[in-house]
Amino acid sequence: DAKTTQPPSMDCAEGRAANLPCNHSTISGNEYVYWYRQIHSQGPQYIIHGLKNNETNEMASLIITEDRKSSTLILPHATLRDTAVYYCIVRVAPGGGSEKLVFGKGTKLTVNP
Amino acid sequence: NAGVMQNPRHLVRRRGQEARLRCSPMKGHSHVYWYRQLPEEGLKFMVYLQKENIIDESGMPKERFSAEFPKEGPSILRIQQVVRGDSAAYFCASSPPGGFEGYTFGSGTRLTVV
Repeated sequence: DAKTTQPPSMDCAEGRAANLPCNHSTISGNEYVYWYRQIHSQGPQYIIHGLKNNETNEMASLIITEDRKSSTLILPHATLRDTAVYYCIVRVAPGGGSEKLVFGKGTKLTVNP
Repeated sequence: NAGVMQNPRHLVRRRGQEARLRCSPMKGHSHVYWYRQLPEEGLKFMVYLQKENIIDESGMPKERFSAEFPKEGPSILRIQQVVRGDSAAYFCASSPPGGFEGYTFGSGTRLTVV
């Protein structure tokens, strides 16, 4: 039921930018893209979300393609503490007032010294 | 994850016992969501509740599982007659209406059925 596809794993050098891709080719016009990360087995941590415009906050930038079929999360200067599983998620509203986050399998990002 | 409180952090139950998992949402949040995570997998949606209402329980197993979010007090996820396959991490998230400010997750309850 996941609406997103991500590479299972990626590596990044400490201090470099980490660019995590995500495909969501079946996304609907009113469905938002959210990014969360999970460190070890802790609760998922919110990073950023967007609909069609690019977004930036203190943690990351989110670049969404014009057709909205894919997006990229950018961590501008990765640190060892950014090692985690990163989930690209579509927020769906299936009707009846419901809304929920649909998680995929995520990308295991390893930041190397 | 400060703000959404889940307890207990770890819960061990024997097969056939009941498990009760509690979730107190962030202050000002009236929407609660429960997710289950099996080892090495992503989170799977279970149920979405507002105060005194179940909005979407499409991810809940048809038997043995129930959830509530009363007018006062925490949200409760209840699993009756637990089996080994119920062993997982259960996460609760809360949001204000609309979720546009993001959903805040708790630290989870790790249920082990022995």
